[in-house]
Amino acid sequence: QKEVEQNSGPLSVPEGAIASLNCTYSDRGSQSFFWYRQYSGKSPELIMFIYSNGDKEDGRFTAQLNKASQYVSLLIRDSQPSDSATYLCAVKGRTGSEKLVFGKGTKLTVNP
Amino acid sequence: ETGVTQSPTHLIKTRGQQVTLRCSSQSGHNTVSWYQQALGQGPQFIFQYYREEENGRGNFPPRFSGLQFPNYSSELNVNALELDDSALYLCASSFGRASGGNTDTQYFGPGTRLTVL
Repeated sequence: QKEVEQNSGPLSVPEGAIASLNCTYSDRGSQSFFWYRQYSGKSPELIMFIYSNGDKEDGRFTAQLNKASQYVSLLIRDSQPSDSATYLCAVKGRTGSEKLVFGKGTKLTVNP
Repeated sequence: ETGVTQSPTHLIKTRGQQVTLRCSSQSGHNTVSWYQQALGQGPQFIFQYYREEENGRGNFPPRFSGLQFPNYSSELNVNALELDDSALYLCASSFGRASGGNTDTQYFGPGTRLTVL
């Protein structure tokens, strides 16, 4: 089982719709969870981080964490063509393990 | 802009050569992590430096080595380059543990695209 799994997509949604991106992780001791956006040919850009179970909202973005199910998701409301990118889920393990473990990413396309 | 800079932007080398990549961390950050991202894959952790000492290493061979300087900038050195080393190399800056807390969020630089021929 891979440490962090994401659907590779591509995921295609119409402009204005809600895009839902999902991620599961294998290390039950993981403590911190991050979503990065990566445009083609560019480096990852932090969108959100979440540490506690539940929802965390920031503008059009909502991160959801369920540690019991080892599941983290990102919702993008009112999707825009500029949201078209690859979204990377990253997980940091328990204290003392400082590395980020990334999924392969989900490619999102928002159609005008 | 994250304030993390990397040089060079692009690099072309031949198999067997050696390469040094550089990273300047964001002001106030004392931790630098290096990642390798192959095409179509997520970044893979190479190693991390906290206050000039290695603080964790991923599954990479010893020909991948690093260094962190007193100003917290960092270098990644790769010896005996192989074709599979062709990738985007990412440096991430963060404020590491000061009194036992967790490392904070990592912010990425623009990356160095390495091509090995």
